[in-house]
Amino acid sequence: GNSVTQMEGPVTLSEEAFLTINCTYTATGYPSLFWYVQYPGEGLQLLLKATKADDKGSNKGFEATYRKETTSFHLEKGSVQVSDSAVYFCALSLMSGGSNYKLTFGKGTLLTVNP
Amino acid sequence: DTAVSQTPKYLVTQMGNDKSIKCEQNLGHDTMYWYKQDSKKFLKIMFSYNNKELIINETVPNRFSPKSPDKAHLNLHINSLELGDSAVYFCASSRLKQDKDTTQYFGPGTRLLVL
Repeated sequence: GNSVTQMEGPVTLSEEAFLTINCTYTATGYPSLFWYVQYPGEGLQLLLKATKADDKGSNKGFEATYRKETTSFHLEKGSVQVSDSAVYFCALSLMSGGSNYKLTFGKGTLLTVNP
Repeated sequence: DTAVSQTPKYLVTQMGNDKSIKCEQNLGHDTMYWYKQDSKKFLKIMFSYNNKELIINETVPNRFSPKSPDKAHLNLHINSLELGDSAVYFCASSRLKQDKDTTQYFGPGTRLLVL
């Protein structure tokens, strides 16, 4: 089956530190890949996405590159801020049920950024 | 101007009760979903509807019954609530696959607590 593996959290960094959250996937097919972010007490927001190999998704200083050869989609940011503190989810999207796409999520990584 | 909205945001109820959660999207999407997030933040798809037709049902107990009166609404009715149903329930929507874009947009979530 399809699955997503994220690095275990929690991750605690100081402001302006470099962030990497690893994500690898297993899929039967060619998925689209996503990072979603969940701020405390809120819903899921799309952070960035990539739909094919070698695509780079970017948003708000975050980046991730779709690496088919290593089945990875690692999230990076050069300088984190306190406001980046949240849970980050890596996810893949593949067709299910013949016509619809379902998201398979990783377990989430809690990031805490200290001033 | 909310894209995907859910009501209520919080729901506290007794075991054995029946409750409903409502979801509406104004994005003009054809596909809607329900996801469950457990206490460890793990997200898993429950159902997917496409133009009011059930497409994905991920072995969810039949106490859970989704209903889609039109393509902009997907409600979730839960009968005979159990303690294990306590979770955050997220509604999401997406377009049918167009230009490989299968991005799902999430509502703010409904936090259900069964006592």
